[in-house]
Amino acid sequence: GQQLNQSPQSMFIQEGEDVSMNCTSSSIFNTWLWYKQDPGEGPVLLIALYKAGELTSNGRLTAQFGITRKDSFLNISASIPSDVGIYFCAGNSGGSNYKLTFGKGTLLTVNP
Amino acid sequence: DADVTQTPRNRITKTGKRIMLECSQTKGHDRMYWYRQDPGLGLRLIYYSFDVKDINKGEISDGYSVSRQAQAKFSLSLESAIPNQTALYFCATSDSNPSTDTQYFGPGTRLTVL
Repeated sequence: GQQLNQSPQSMFIQEGEDVSMNCTSSSIFNTWLWYKQDPGEGPVLLIALYKAGELTSNGRLTAQFGITRKDSFLNISASIPSDVGIYFCAGNSGGSNYKLTFGKGTLLTVNP
Repeated sequence: DADVTQTPRNRITKTGKRIMLECSQTKGHDRMYWYRQDPGLGLRLIYYSFDVKDINKGEISDGYSVSRQAQAKFSLSLESAIPNQTALYFCATSDSNPSTDTQYFGPGTRLTVL
């Protein structure tokens, strides 16, 4: 089945630093999504990408849909303490299969 | 008010008990999903439903069953709970437009099976 490799598994950074995380897939996806999960809460959608090469921003967050359609990255600029959480990538191969495949998450810790 | 709600938020039960987790949504979406989350394993799909008369198994459906009572309601049952079903359970919804198939999650139910 489809697999998503998300890296890094965890990151410890200082407030103000930029962060980058990425996901790679063994197969082509039509949609890439990035979610954030705060402790005790459900994942919340941050950015959705629907076209290869697409670069989308949401405040300090920027994500790109890779040209090969097998990868995506998420950047966070000028991190702040509330950026702490688990970030998940997810992909959808479309067609008759509308299910999302999730990465295992990147745990981000921001030291004030 | 939250678009996707789950009840209960926390539940502790004993091995062998029957448990039902409920999910309701006000987003008007046709599609609903149940996932479980375990540390280090991410989100794994249990069951999904594309409309009221449609039920499909996900990757880890053994030991679970679901019921789609209405467009807005999708419940997950554990007929005889076992300790390795201790996990966080999330319901999610999406609309039926494949070009914008984004899933929206509920707040989760923390289930502990003793």
